[in-house]
Amino acid sequence: DVVMTQSPLSLPVTLGQPASISCRSSQSLVHSDGNTYLNWFQQRPGQSPRRLIYKVSDRDSGVPDRFSGSGSGTDFTLKISRVEAEDVGVYYCMQARQWPWTFGQGTKMEIK
Amino acid sequence: EVQLVESGGGLVQPGGSLRLACAASGFIFSSNWMSWVRQAPGKGLEWVANIKEDGGEMYYVDSVKGRFTISRDNAKNSVYLQMNSLRGEDTAVYYCVFIARGTDIDNWGRGTLVTVSS
Repeated sequence: DVVMTQSPLSLPVTLGQPASISCRSSQSLVHSDGNTYLNWFQQRPGQSPRRLIYKVSDRDSGVPDRFSGSGSGTDFTLKISRVEAEDVGVYYCMQARQWPWTFGQGTKMEIK
Repeated sequence: EVQLVESGGGLVQPGGSLRLACAASGFIFSSNWMSWVRQAPGKGLEWVANIKEDGGEMYYVDSVKGRFTISRDNAKNSVYLQMNSLRGEDTAVYYCVFIARGTDIDNWGRGTLVTVSS
């Protein structure tokens, strides 16, 4: 199975400041179809998860443009340009290159 | 508007069985893969199973292989998760998910809680 490793696992942030989460996969996430199936999910307290980013850097509908994804191969990053109060929650990277699809451990983001 | 409504969760004894159901609406159900994802209390997410549009392919995470079965009824716009030989570690909120890995489609139900305990 592909192991996804996130860092940090806890991220205290200041409102209005940038934030960044890293994710590393144990294998390349480049599929034979040429796509890299790396996703980022957000789970706000008490809510179902929702996807923010798919295929490394494509934003899902309704996701604010302060969220951006980057990376390639086995190393990926989620960046928030300016953190807002509604961004508090847990963030997960997830690979969908091969079954079983696997998540990282999650990064808990809190306001300082 | 896409809606996914799970049902069937509850308290079950170890070794017991439970069948979860997910009623879908707002999209062409028969043309899309469906999934179940779970989250143990206070823990992270685990992708449990996927099923192809016509039910001809299914995938399971190793921890549930041989015990869980995903199925669907396209006439009823529903997907199911039959869970047998339940263990304490199966205790979790189970989410029904309609997601596309390559396009802008991501929808989750509110989840149903399964508690395995004596």
